[in-house]
Amino acid sequence: GAGVSQSPSNKVTEKGKDVELRCDPISGHTALYWYRQSLGQGLEFLIYFQGNSAPDKSGLPSDRFSAERTGGSVSTLTIQRTQQEDSAVYLCASSLLVREGEKLFFGSGTQLSVL
Amino acid sequence: AQSVAQPEDQVNVAEGNPLTVKCTYSVSGNPYLFWYVQYPNRGLQFLLKYITGDNLVKGSYGFEAEFNKSQTSFHLKKPSALVSDSALYFCAVRDLYGNNRLAFGKGNQVVVIP
Repeated sequence: GAGVSQSPSNKVTEKGKDVELRCDPISGHTALYWYRQSLGQGLEFLIYFQGNSAPDKSGLPSDRFSAERTGGSVSTLTIQRTQQEDSAVYLCASSLLVREGEKLFFGSGTQLSVL
Repeated sequence: AQSVAQPEDQVNVAEGNPLTVKCTYSVSGNPYLFWYVQYPNRGLQFLLKYITGDNLVKGSYGFEAEFNKSQTSFHLKKPSALVSDSALYFCAVRDLYGNNRLAFGKGNQVVVIP
């Protein structure tokens, strides 16, 4: 595809349910990031994948959050036992290489609402 | 760890006037600095970056930013604002010798008044 694709675009769930958010990066991009955007909070780093290296999970807010990237391409962010404070826009971004000047290409995000 | 501060929540400017969006950063090593913009109902887009070299960096849509090492700042500027520049602007920093995390600020809402 032409850009980073995220699905679903909107997700409404009940507190305590699990959700899966999907990201399809630009073909050939080896680096993939997940961020969370909350009103007034800016972009909060969650996790980063680079090629076959171990992911940087240091931004995940709790053990309810996990992510994987299969085959170096598609990534899934899973939130277990969702809480109301998990409501936010979840953004995925990819880039060619994690080098000094590589810019990120962002998807349109998944708006998650936990009732 | 690297971090960015964007001190103003909202910047209001009249159309045709100069626009400045402030950003200060903190890194342990040398910084790579970026500005991204988020237009209403659209994804984040890259505007410009500073890696090395000339402290004044020019980017898309007539924007520029000046890297000031002594003040650890990377303010975004545009000489003459347009109504279409109304958007959310994010500053971001990566540490050259640190981890590969790109740390973003909380963003500044820019409102250009016709």
